[in-house]
Amino acid sequence: QVLLVESGGGVVQPGRSLRLSCAASGFTFRRYGMHWVRQAPGKGLEWVAVIWYDGSNNDYADSVEGRFIISRDNSKNMVYLQMNSLRAEDTAVYYCARGNPPNTPVDVWGQGTQVTVSS
Amino acid sequence: DIQMTQSPSTLSASVGDRVTITCRASQSISSWLAWYQQKPGKAPKFLIYKASSLESGVPSRFSGSGSGTEFTLTISSLQPDDFATYYCQQYNSYPITFGQGTRLEIK
Repeated sequence: QVLLVESGGGVVQPGRSLRLSCAASGFTFRRYGMHWVRQAPGKGLEWVAVIWYDGSNNDYADSVEGRFIISRDNSKNMVYLQMNSLRAEDTAVYYCARGNPPNTPVDVWGQGTQVTVSS
Repeated sequence: DIQMTQSPSTLSASVGDRVTITCRASQSISSWLAWYQQKPGKAPKFLIYKASSLESGVPSRFSGSGSGTEFTLTISSLQPDDFATYYCQQYNSYPITFGQGTRLEIK
């Protein structure tokens, strides 16, 4: 079945970096765009970033632009989120999700990985 | 950025009730709207796309309608498994944006 499994979350100090990974299986990964969406404790869903199916394009939320980098490796069916200069407000569950930009919804979600930014 | 506003924020209802959740966009998004269901501690579940198309496997008691700036999600007869938080999402343009969520609770 279609599966997305995130890893790499943890507790990190403000200003430090963390890299999230997402392993995809059960579908032709290279044909799909991939997103990261986060959810702060007790809050709603916030879209973070997207990368096109071939890695040719990406886009970011203003709140992470210049600090986060989304990338993918189609030979390994993996998508990544490099998070730099982390802030307390980046604390959230981070979900990896599938969806082909521009006009295709996010249809498959991973289980999420917790990122806590705290000194 | 396109702002998505859901109402109500909380909805109390009973099993068997018909409920409707509204989602309004700050500008036209055509029909590029999706709905998700989320239960505590779980990832969102994809319910509806293109405003009114039901995702495979989603019960037919769920339906969506609307276009432009106003959309609705209707559950025709609430079941115990339906008590959760619901989010709308526009994917007309980037950044993708979500509504703030509607918590559907048992009366």
